[in-house]
This record gives sequence, structure tokens and C-alpha cells, in this order.
Amino acid sequence: EPEVTQTPSHQVTQMGQEVILRCVPISNHLYFYWYRQILGQKVEFLVSFYNNEISEKSEIFDDQFSVERPDGSNFTLKIRSTKLEDSAMYFCASSATSGRDTQYFGPGTRLTVL
Amino acid sequence: AQTVTQSQPEMSVQEAETVTLSCTYDTSESDYYLFWYKQPPSRQMILVIRQEAYKQQNATENRFSVNFQKAAKSFSLKISDSQLGDAAMYFCAYRSSLTQGGSEKLVFGKGTKLTVNP
Repeated sequence: EPEVTQTPSHQVTQMGQEVILRCVPISNHLYFYWYRQILGQKVEFLVSFYNNEISEKSEIFDDQFSVERPDGSNFTLKIRSTKLEDSAMYFCASSATSGRDTQYFGPGTRLTVL
Repeated sequence: AQTVTQSQPEMSVQEAETVTLSCTYDTSESDYYLFWYKQPPSRQMILVIRQEAYKQQNATENRFSVNFQKAAKSFSLKISDSQLGDAAMYFCAYRSSLTQGGSEKLVFGKGTKLTVNP
């Protein structure tokens, strides 16, 4: 069964550094999402992406964050200058279409900012 | 804004028994979708079951079923004949219907950690 994959599984970085989290969505899916979960808190929506454009973003997704689909398979989340509060589990998800379709999640990348 | 509440941070069940996980939500929308996701210790979040709000019939997937009470804004998950592999964090989630101009984002509860005792 097709799965969403994410790399790396764990990323440790110094405050102020840039990080890129990578995701490979399910191959025929067209809609892509990033969510994050700070330890002990709810999973929160960050951004959705379709047709090479951001279709929706949350208040969390400020200018420090960007997303890109650099080729036909990868979907990346970049954090330009990491802060301590960016430490969280980041989940990528994809769906075949928007609307009724289910979002399928990857295993997550644990980001630790020191 | 929609909110999802899971009032049980932890639950436990004996193997082969039945357990019900609670979820309530708040919305002013009439059309939406509700989901239960399971996150085992391996971390992959897996869809367990989904319910369309316009459907009166409760969704069922093998040993998993829901009790959807639209007027009460309640969406509980029942796991029958619990197995050791059911041990996981369970998340309830809400999504608007785009036909009503809603958001495509999932809104999650805080999760319920289910332990299955042998």
C-alpha cells in the first residue's frame, strides 16, 4: 500500500540555523499538507499546497516558513532561522483531491532546536 | 473556529474486551467530516474510520465503529474485541466541507492514549 514518507526521522539543529524537512507524498496525490505537534499539545495545521501554490496557511506559518515542491515527488518545509519553540514533531500529509478525500500522514520528523 | 475535545487523556482495556473513546466537537457548520486516526508507537498516523456528517448511519470498519450524535456534537469510537496491536494514541479530527467554503485543514483533539492489557 502506498505511504507518505518523511526524512529525516529526527533532526537536531542549533537555534538560528535553517532546516529543510522532506516528504514524499503518495504518488498520485495532488494536495499536500504540513502539520506540527509540540510535545504534549494538539496536532496543528501549518499549510496546504496545491498546484505549486499555498492554498491555505495558519497563523503559525509566518515568514520563517516556506514550502516547495522542487520536483515531481518531493514536498519540503523550510524553516529559515529556527527558534527553540520550533521544536516539535512535523507531519506531512497528502490527499488525492481536496474536499471529500482523506489525508494520509507520514511518520513525522522530530525537530529538536538547541 | 471549530474545536475538538477528547476528555480522556488515557484509557485502558483488557484484551478481547470493548472500549469506547470519547470525542466532542464544536462547530456552526452543518456539513463536515469527522475522523479517527491511530498513532502507534512507530509514529505513522493511520486513518481508522471516517464519518460524513450528512450520513445518519454510523460508520463501521471491522472491529471499529462510531457513535455519531450530530445534535450532541459527539463522535465516539468503539473498539470491539481489543487486540494488543490496538495500543496507540487515538486522535479525533474534524474537517469542514469545502462545498460550504470551509477550510481543508484537519482540526485535531489532544488524543487519547489507549493501553491494551493482556
